[in-house]
This record gives sequence, structure tokens and C-alpha cells, in this order.
Amino acid sequence: SAVISQKPSRDICQRGTSLTIQCQVDSQVTMMFWYRQQPGQSLTLIATANQGSEATYESGFVIDKFPISRPNLTFSTLTVSNMSPEDSSIYLCSAGPQGGELFFGEGSRLTVL
Amino acid sequence: RKEVEQDPGPFNVPEGATVAFNCTYSNSASQSFFWYRQDCRKEPKLLMSVYSSGNEDGRFTAQLNRASQYISLLIRDSKLSDSATYLCVVNDFNKFYFGSGTKLNVKP
Repeated sequence: SAVISQKPSRDICQRGTSLTIQCQVDSQVTMMFWYRQQPGQSLTLIATANQGSEATYESGFVIDKFPISRPNLTFSTLTVSNMSPEDSSIYLCSAGPQGGELFFGEGSRLTVL
Repeated sequence: RKEVEQDPGPFNVPEGATVAFNCTYSNSASQSFFWYRQDCRKEPKLLMSVYSSGNEDGRFTAQLNRASQYISLLIRDSKLSDSATYLCVVNDFNKFYFGSGTKLNVKP
């Protein structure tokens, strides 16, 4: 199994600012992903974080808004840029071996005023 | 069309009841399948993987029907602690897509 730590666990931000969420995994993993979960809804895949190269974004998500880094096999960041109230959500980092189980961090609860 | 579709519920059942959840997926080439459980304000956690031959873990049984692109989860002898949202998850070429979740409320 993998233990995933995310920070911050929660934040309240002003419109127009940016926030970077960090994700640390306690072991080397092949796959890392970022999800968003809006209140009362299920998880939506934002992007696959690729080690040493640009992330692969899902339809509706773009690099300028959600830049992602993954410098090594255990760490990734997601930045939510130029935030608006519609970006208020829980952002979840997940990781796992190729074809195997996904583990999740506890999430970062973001509120944009 | 959504990748993964589930009945959102809620399913309200008494303790001891048997309850079944279904899920359909759109991509016939999907490779692996899972049920996750999510408690309120918590992250999702794996409940069980789903195999074509079906698999059982205690009171939980999962089945996969590739021909119909259909996954099921059966919970027998429901406990109060089973109350949660159950998420159907499909792995498409190493991308994991989640259904909307089915909410289960087990009542005394």
C-alpha cells in the first residue's frame, strides 16, 4: 500500500490568487493523478501527472489553469491558478502501481471567496 | 455519455438486509474494475477489485459482466457501519474513472 500526504488540508483564498497543493507518497509509484470532487459529487479526473514531462489533461482542464509538476516518482504539485469561486472544491491526489489499486490522500479543501 | 454510470440512490435499508448496486461503463476496452467506498468528508478507499469470475470478500460479492459492460456489488447482512457512498471505478488504459456513487443508508 501507499501512504499519501497532501498539504494544505484546507485553505481559504481570495479570488484571482493561485494556490499550490503538494502531494507526497511514501514509496515510489508509477501512476499519480489529480482529481477534483465538488460538493455532493463524485470524483472528476483532472490530469495524470507524468514524471519528468508535461501532465496529461482530461477534457475541460488545461495546463494554464491547473499546472502540474512531478519531478520524481514520489512527489507532485497541482496549482489552481487565477482562482474563482467555481474552483471551490476538494482536490485529491492519488497514486498507485500500473494496473493496480489507487490510493488517495486526504484531500485539500479549497474555498475561494 | 459518461464513462461510468451508477444509480445515485440513496438506498435506505434496515440492518440485516441484502442490497445490490449496479454500474455500467461505456468503454468495452476497459481493463480493470473496482468498488471504492467513501465515507462522508473522507477520501475514497478500495473496497474490492472486480473480476470476470466474480469475487467475494466476507459479506461483499462483486461481479463483472463484460458482454453487458456491467458491474455489480452485493452486500449481505448489512451493518450500520456499511452506510457510505459506494463508487464504481473503471480503469481505462491507466486512467481511473469514477461513477457518481451510490449512497447507502443502513438503519437500525
